[in-house]
Amino acid sequence: NAGVTQTPKFRVLKTGQSMTLLCAQDMNHEYMYWYRQDPGMGLRLIHYSVGEGTTAKGEVPDGYNVSRLKKQNFLLGLESAAPSQTSVYFCASSLAELGQFFGPGTRLTVL
Amino acid sequence: DQQVKQNSPSLSVQEGRISILNCDYTNSMFDYFLWYKKYPAEGPTFLISISSIKDKNEDGRFTVFLNKSAKHLSLHIVPSQPGDSAVYFCAAGETGRRALTFGSGTRLQVQP
Repeated sequence: NAGVTQTPKFRVLKTGQSMTLLCAQDMNHEYMYWYRQDPGMGLRLIHYSVGEGTTAKGEVPDGYNVSRLKKQNFLLGLESAAPSQTSVYFCASSLAELGQFFGPGTRLTVL
Repeated sequence: DQQVKQNSPSLSVQEGRISILNCDYTNSMFDYFLWYKKYPAEGPTFLISISSIKDKNEDGRFTVFLNKSAKHLSLHIVPSQPGDSAVYFCAAGETGRRALTFGSGTRLQVQP
């Protein structure tokens, strides 16, 4: 089992560009999450999903959109990237509320 | 306003000694707590958890203590090993809500 994988691992964008981060899990988990990690601030929840076709806002949703068309995939989109979105993005999945499994992260730089 | 706080950004201990990582929270609705460990360039990995109905949970070298009245939890690692060197995140959750609230992390360095 690969667990939780994230694509790409690194990306550099210019302000105003768009991109999509892909998260995939092979553990048949219902719940999936997108977090961002910034220095000194821990992990903050952007959006999450409690099942295929459902999404919900987390703590810092502005500037991001998500989609969960398939149970195993959770996509995070940036429509118009801003320097404030420079961060490390982590995807996670879980069977229930406890024990979230995290992917390796995507380091995004917006110039 | 941070609901989960880890006030020590870093901690250095000698191999074989005890490491104590601390975490404070403000939201009394939190009813379960977790510790995650993170190595550089990797995602956090789940370490140990505790429910609010307990005050202690032990798993091998790792023990988590919860003091609900003080809204404080701590992670004890005994004995500490160089491989324990990582960033440790405290997280809190509320049953029925899917999200976890994370602290800012404590970097543990175990000196050989």
